[in-house]
Amino acid sequence: GAVVSQHPSRVICKSGTSVKIECRSLDFQATTMFWYRQFPKQSLMLMATSNEGSKATYEQGVEKDKFLINHASLTLSTLTVTSAHPEDSSFYICSARDAGGQETQYFGPGTRLLVL
Amino acid sequence: SQQGEEDPQALSIQEGENATMNCSYKTSINNLQWYRQNSGRGLVHLILIRSNEREKHSGRLRVTLDTSKKSSSLLITASRAADTASYFCATDEGDYKLSFGAGTTVTVRA
Repeated sequence: GAVVSQHPSRVICKSGTSVKIECRSLDFQATTMFWYRQFPKQSLMLMATSNEGSKATYEQGVEKDKFLINHASLTLSTLTVTSAHPEDSSFYICSARDAGGQETQYFGPGTRLLVL
Repeated sequence: SQQGEEDPQALSIQEGENATMNCSYKTSINNLQWYRQNSGRGLVHLILIRSNEREKHSGRLRVTLDTSKKSSSLLITASRAADTASYFCATDEGDYKLSFGAGTTVTVRA
């Protein structure tokens, strides 16, 4: 089956620093990737839709200057949390949709961010 | 935004028993999907049911969809300890963006 990887799996950083999270589709091309965040014991909330070669579309309430998304190729999207603060600590999960047009999304294993 | 509600929030059953969880949603959908998440891990896609389908099976999983009631159910038969996880429904309104329900935490006791 299709595989999506995320790197890093865990990151601890100091308040005020920026953190970049990578999402890669390993065996398929993904024109669209999605970024979610999940707080402990809660559901996933969609943050933004990342389209290859164009600007990301952000959900209401998500600051685009805070969460920078770049989708430079058909297999890679990055999420950069800029000037991270403790309230940004969360589990960030990406998903990718096969460019072949199938409805199924494939999820990465997630990245746990802890901002001290 | 989160559109689905799931019940129960938590479910504890004995190995071998069946587990049923329900999901309700608010808008028209293109399809509804069920995912499993083990603690602290990513999501595993279980099954997708389209709006024009009423029931779907995959192994020990059975999903129903009632678009008139805007609800879906997931049944896991003959549960195993390895089924212990959180289960989420997610709706796709046709733009491939998924709205997730709150999830049901299932614990299967050996």
